[in-house]
Amino acid sequence: AQTVTQSQPEMSVQEAETVTLSCTYDTSESDYYLFWYKQPPSRQMILVIRQEAYKQQNATENRFSVNFQKAAKSFSLKISDSQLGDAAMYFCAYRSYTSGTYKYIFGTGTRLKVLA
Amino acid sequence: NAGVTQTPKFRVLKTGQSMTLLCAQDMNHEYMYWYRQDPGMGLRLIHYSVGEGTTAKGEVPDGYNVSRLKKQNFLLGLESAAPSQTSVYFCASTSTSGANVLTFGAGSRLTVL
Repeated sequence: AQTVTQSQPEMSVQEAETVTLSCTYDTSESDYYLFWYKQPPSRQMILVIRQEAYKQQNATENRFSVNFQKAAKSFSLKISDSQLGDAAMYFCAYRSYTSGTYKYIFGTGTRLKVLA
Repeated sequence: NAGVTQTPKFRVLKTGQSMTLLCAQDMNHEYMYWYRQDPGMGLRLIHYSVGEGTTAKGEVPDGYNVSRLKKQNFLLGLESAAPSQTSVYFCASTSTSGANVLTFGAGSRLTVL
């Protein structure tokens, strides 16, 4: 079964600095999707970025980028020029395709604090 | 465009009571999911549906039942609530085309006393 591991329960970053959140996963599939979701205090789950496993190029969305290492099964999120609004819980997720069904497996999350 | 709507947003139950959480999506998505979120445990899949009239068990299905009589609605039922079911519940949906990005509802906080 696929698993997703986020080993950093909490991280802190100074405003305007860069921070990297770690995520590793375990799978035997060759084609899959990976996602980072943000959950601010409002509780709403917001998609930050997604990566298709067959694409070697790392995804980028404005200040957010990923370092996707397929062989190492690693999918880290880099936040550049951190802003106070980036403070949130961040979840890494893996989309599996098993027995003709899509399932999404989430890590335990990393709480990001942004210091002014 | 409402997306995914969950009702109610908050509910307090006594042990043994029953209730139903309603999830409605207006995006014509085939897949719908119910997750629960507990501190330090991330989101865990309770039940899911791949289409109207179908349901399947996820990782933590015990104590819950679901139904999907209409494509746009996915109901999560607690027949006899227990304190261990105190949690935040999220509904999500996705299509079978494209990148299959999950769209989430706003969550429902349930407390069982």
